[in-house]
Amino acid sequence: QSALTQPRSVSGSPGQSVTIFCTGTSSDVGGYNYVSWYQQHPGKAPKLMIYDVTKRPSGVPDRFSGSKSGNTASLTIFGLQAEDEADYYCCSFVGKFGGGTKLTVL
Amino acid sequence: EVQLVESGGDLVQPGGSLRLSCAASGFTFSQSWMVWVRQAPGKGLEWVASIEGDGSDKYHVDSVKGRFTISRDNTKNSLFLQMISLRVEDTAVYFCATDRGYDTFDHWGQGTLVTVSS
Repeated sequence: QSALTQPRSVSGSPGQSVTIFCTGTSSDVGGYNYVSWYQQHPGKAPKLMIYDVTKRPSGVPDRFSGSKSGNTASLTIFGLQAEDEADYYCCSFVGKFGGGTKLTVL
Repeated sequence: EVQLVESGGDLVQPGGSLRLSCAASGFTFSQSWMVWVRQAPGKGLEWVASIEGDGSDKYHVDSVKGRFTISRDNTKNSLFLQMISLRVEDTAVYFCATDRGYDTFDHWGQGTLVTVSS
């Protein structure tokens, strides 16, 4: 059961936008509209940021946006802020996580 | 407010056993799917096991089948993970979480560390 593919790292300056991609197959990402994204700061528990590909839980800023095309899902963060620096993980239905992406705010 | 508090993590020798617990509050526990997710040191997240609200349906990742068993006690709002035949590669922080459906984990505990080493 291979993990979903994410870039190991991305970076951006405050105020800029960044996109993190998550690539799977037609058996996971491409097969269902159930992709979620999690933010994890060092030493902390993950936090749900996006679910059902595009939906935001209550309390998550609208700077965070999710989408999907084919077998690839993406998380875009608009107007980067220092506190966005964290690890981000995608997850598809069938409980498959991506390897994680470290976001650095320059 | 949803609260999940894990306990039971420890240092154990290879081949040993351990039982993790997760105390839940702030939501209707008996109606909620629950999961265990682990994270090896410096590594990513890995789903380990899921259990339906009434405990009738359970799923485990292939790497722990036959060694780990997820269970729950709805009278005590508690989730468990019984682990036997532990291996070095099981070393990780183990998180319990709620599953709102379709493997979407919306509330997480702070985690408990399991270290398997001789």
